[in-house]
Amino acid sequence: QQQVKQSPQSLIVQKGGISIINCAYENTAFDYFPWYQQFPGKGPALLIAIRPDVSEKKEGRFTISFNKSAKQFSLHIMDSQPGDSATYFCAATTGANNLFFGTGTRLTVIP
Amino acid sequence: DVKVTQSLRYLVKRTGEKVFLECVQDMDHENMFWYRQDPGLGLRLIYFSYDVKMKEKGDIPEGYSVSREKKERFSLILESASTNQTSMYLCASSPTGMENEKLFFGSGTQLSVL
Repeated sequence: QQQVKQSPQSLIVQKGGISIINCAYENTAFDYFPWYQQFPGKGPALLIAIRPDVSEKKEGRFTISFNKSAKQFSLHIMDSQPGDSATYFCAATTGANNLFFGTGTRLTVIP
Repeated sequence: DVKVTQSLRYLVKRTGEKVFLECVQDMDHENMFWYRQDPGLGLRLIYFSYDVKMKEKGDIPEGYSVSREKKERFSLILESASTNQTSMYLCASSPTGMENEKLFFGSGTQLSVL
């Protein structure tokens, strides 16, 4: 059973638009919610992460919105650029040894 | 920068052959992980190790074993490869303590079992 459900599977956005990727979880014990970015031929790299004591975290053009009551969190990419084209994975964990990943979203930003 | 090195980018093996994938990290991290990545399934944890000679099963350990004889090196072994083990294999490491949830990944090895 998928511990973290991610949607959409793929996303096409115009340059300058907003990309939104959503994730949902069931386990209320999760206390760390990272997003990983993966370019072709590379391993995933940590992009941004949030803990459930805040509802939003912003780093540059990347923002995580977190809704604890709905058990949902999302990644927003503002002013999307072609260089943002990658696969994005959400994840959730109670500790490093049980990091559960979503199924991934392939983002394509067209010029 | 943390570097996790998987020296093999591509590997082709035949059914029944033994496969040995090696991973080396240079940041003195205690924790190391092996994941497999499949389209539509995301990343799934095969095994992890939190210390030399220590290992724990992940979500999908069947058909795999691991070895960690030195802190910087974590190996994944497929004793008898099968076609359903064709996948991208990713190694990762993380420190202990406050930063233990931040995983650093290698570039992966694409294994094809024919």
